[in-house]
Amino acid sequence: SAVISQKPSRDICQRGTSLTIQCQVDSQVTMMFWYRQQPGQSLTLIATANQGSEATYESGFVIDKFPISRPNLTFSTLTVSNMSPEDSSIYLCSVVTGTLYGYTFGSGTRLTVV
Amino acid sequence: GQQLNQSPQSMFIQEGEDVSMNCTSSSIFNTWLWYKQDPGEGPVLLIALYKAGELTSNGRLTAQFGITRKDSFLNISASIPSDVGIYFCAGLVGNQFYFGTGTSLTVIP
Repeated sequence: SAVISQKPSRDICQRGTSLTIQCQVDSQVTMMFWYRQQPGQSLTLIATANQGSEATYESGFVIDKFPISRPNLTFSTLTVSNMSPEDSSIYLCSVVTGTLYGYTFGSGTRLTVV
Repeated sequence: GQQLNQSPQSMFIQEGEDVSMNCTSSSIFNTWLWYKQDPGEGPVLLIALYKAGELTSNGRLTAQFGITRKDSFLNISASIPSDVGIYFCAGLVGNQFYFGTGTSLTVIP
């Protein structure tokens, strides 16, 4: 399976600021996704990061709040904009490589907004 | 989105006991996955199931893809302390995953 490097691993941010999270994969991957995991909760899909075009957002998530870039098949960023304490969560990138066990998550970014 | 109901929500068991958890949905899925998440880490894939009725093992873990394609279960045999964590099921339809609510497992030495 693919190896994902996600950073930062954690951050504490002031409300009103923005944080960009990076996801680097060691191989070209077909699909990349960004998830949010609020404290004690399951994973919720934010968006699908599309290479060369705008991301596809799920209901309840908008581009102005969570802009996503995917300049190539191995890299993506998620920005959490104008943060509030409600944005405190773990943010995870995930990839699908198309192989038998090709559904992999990064180790996550634990964000705390104060 | 799709709703995956995972049960039990939490389990406290003695080391050496077997564990069983399941995931059910009103929707049909093409693939079922089981993940384990340790504190401060991302979920790690344990087992992937690709067709109805499939039974797959990975060491002490066994998972099955339900015949109706609406459910799956995960068994852990002879639990050990490092089995502690949160277990998530995930169903895949198209290119999108939907995650269960998680089962928190505590193993008492």
